[in-house]
Amino acid sequence: TQLLEQSPQFLSIQEGENLTVYCNSSSVFSSLQWYRQEPGEGPVLLVTVVTGGEVKKLKRLTFQFGDARKDSSLHITAAQPGDTGLYLCAGTSGNTGKLIFGQGTTLQVKP
Amino acid sequence: EAQVTQNPRYLITVTGKKLTVTCSQNMNHEYMSWYRQDPGLGLRQIYYSMNVEVTDKGDVPEGYKVSRKEKRNFPLILESPSPNQTSLYFCASRTGGQNTEAFFGQGTRLTVV
Repeated sequence: TQLLEQSPQFLSIQEGENLTVYCNSSSVFSSLQWYRQEPGEGPVLLVTVVTGGEVKKLKRLTFQFGDARKDSSLHITAAQPGDTGLYLCAGTSGNTGKLIFGQGTTLQVKP
Repeated sequence: EAQVTQNPRYLITVTGKKLTVTCSQNMNHEYMSWYRQDPGLGLRQIYYSMNVEVTDKGDVPEGYKVSRKEKRNFPLILESPSPNQTSLYFCASRTGGQNTEAFFGQGTRLTVV
């Protein structure tokens, strides 16, 4: 069974601080995705990384896919209260319908 | 508007009483999945479907059934619900392929007493 381990599980920081969330596996993935979920809603896609070593930026969010395609990271610069939410990494492997999720990282950004 | 619709949003039921949670998507997506979300465990896949009449078990299929008779619908059936199936359930759909975006419904909060 393929597993995705996220760390940390909980993060509470002050507005303006930087943070990094990690998503690790012992398995190789075709791609990794990052989703954000707000209370009472389903997850919404932030980004997909496909190539080993790839770096993608979305405003203050930077996503990286490991060279070996087994891990990914999400870095937020100068966090804002609007960044508060649950961040989930997800991976696909092979041409199947399986999309596997990590346990999630709950981020709280205090004003 | 492109969307995944789940019903009901909230359900309280008793042990052993069969129930169905419906899921419908209007994006003509091939892939559909059901997940359950529990604190500290993230989203765990229950069943998935790659097309009409093609379904397969996810990581936690015990106690659940699914069917995919039409492309747009993917109902989740609990034949004899038990309290350990109390959870938040999400349906998701995406186009075929490895790297496609999953679109989620708003969730169904199920309580089995």
